[in-house]
Amino acid sequence: AQRVTQPEKLLSVFKGAPVELKCNYSYSGSPELFWYVQYSRQRLQLLLRHISRESIKGFTADLNKGETSFHLKKPFAQEEDSAMYYCALGLQGGSEKLVFGKGTKLTVNP
Amino acid sequence: SAVISQKPSRDICQRGTSLTIQCQVDSQVTMMFWYRQQPGQSLTLIATANQGSEATYESGFVIDKFPISRPNLTFSTLTVSNMSPEDSSIYLCSAVTGGNQPQHFGDGTRLSIL
Repeated sequence: AQRVTQPEKLLSVFKGAPVELKCNYSYSGSPELFWYVQYSRQRLQLLLRHISRESIKGFTADLNKGETSFHLKKPFAQEEDSAMYYCALGLQGGSEKLVFGKGTKLTVNP
Repeated sequence: SAVISQKPSRDICQRGTSLTIQCQVDSQVTMMFWYRQQPGQSLTLIATANQGSEATYESGFVIDKFPISRPNLTFSTLTVSNMSPEDSSIYLCSAVTGGNQPQHFGDGTRLSIL
C-alpha cells in the first residue's frame, strides 16, 4: 500500500541552525514527491517537487529511491520558516492522486 | 497558479443535517479534488470531481455520504450529508491546471458538528 511517513510530529531548531525534515515513502510504482507548506493562517501551498530540482526559499530535497526518502533540508533556518510541512506522494506517475504524510510542525526559535 | 476559493470558510452544524461546500477556481482546470483533514490527522483524498460525470471516490468514501458535483471546468461542490460529530474536519478543494502541473489548494472549510 502507498504510504508516506514523516517520523517527527514536532521539530524545533534555533535560527541559523540547519534543519532536516524527514520523509519516507512506500510505493511500488514510479514516485513523484512533493513538499507542501502551511504557514499560520494561510492555505496549503506547494514548496517544491522533486522533478523540478529547484531550491525554494533555501530549501532543497533529493529523492533517494534506494532509501525511499525525500528529506527536506535547509542549511540555515529562519524564523519565517516556522510552519507545518507535509510530504506528499503522487501516484499514477503524476500529481493526480496525492498521499500525504501526517506533517511536521517546524518551529524556528530566535 | 490558479486561485481557489472555498465557501463557507467555516460552519457549525447540527447533527443529521447536510452542508454543501463550494469551490470556485479563477481559471479552467483539468482536475479538481476534495480532501478531508480530521483533527490532528493528515489530508485524505475523498474523491476526484469529474466534469460532467460522477465523481471517482476513494476507498472508504461513498457518494451517498459525500455527493459531489462539477458542472463545469471551474466549479465544484461537496455535500457532507447526514452529519455526525465524526464529520468534524477541515474539507479542502484542490485543482490541477493541466499537464504535469502540481495540485493547488483552497483555504479549506472548517466544519464542526454539534
